[in-house]
Amino acid sequence: SSELTQDPAVSVALGQTVRITCRGDSLRSYYASWYQQKPGQAPVVVIYAKNNRPSEIPDRFSGSSSGSTASLTITGAQAEDEGDYYCNSRDISGNHLVFGGGTKLTVL
Amino acid sequence: QVQLQESGPGLVKPSQTLSLTCTVSGGSISSGNYYWSWIRQHPGKGLEWIGYIFHSGSTFYNPSLKSRLTISIHTSKNQFSLRLSSVTAADTAVYFCAGGHSGSFSNWFDPWGQGTLVTVSS
Repeated sequence: SSELTQDPAVSVALGQTVRITCRGDSLRSYYASWYQQKPGQAPVVVIYAKNNRPSEIPDRFSGSSSGSTASLTITGAQAEDEGDYYCNSRDISGNHLVFGGGTKLTVL
Repeated sequence: QVQLQESGPGLVKPSQTLSLTCTVSGGSISSGNYYWSWIRQHPGKGLEWIGYIFHSGSTFYNPSLKSRLTISIHTSKNQFSLRLSSVTAADTAVYFCAGGHSGSFSNWFDPWGQGTLVTVSS
């Protein structure tokens, strides 16, 4: 399958830890990258190549992978972390790219 | 640092061709560090990969769009472009251009353009 599946919505209490997951067969072969998108803005990469962060992304964001599931963990979620999160990877062929359906994160 | 900017008509009639250009600044489109990508987002929906082009001109397209899609690179202008033919209302979306990176068993997009809304309507 070339699909990546995400839970539509997740909530977390302020300061707590939240894990956002992405499931797909291609994740057994390829790492996921993760993007944060806020309303009216372009997505911003927060994790790439399994667990690498751009310099401007806080270290409370981390990535991991096990089998067909990739995870984005936010340790100590802040109000500014609210938004939509998308995973992205290659499909099984390796030539085409695919996004997950997105997860809306609410910080309570 | 590399920055991207989309440009093109915001309104296209059904059955016509949607044409967008992405201008790359702060770096050369021929550098080989990126694969130049188009991604779209239907209103209120998730992201959809459209396709990408290497500086060599090699392209890879989303199979669902391949029959209507052409992505080209214009090195002298430091631009790349998208043409999507026979559009319908289902092609109404915000279109983003992005610089794609490829590593060992990984890919990611950074930077992104701000996005441009294209509406298909008569």
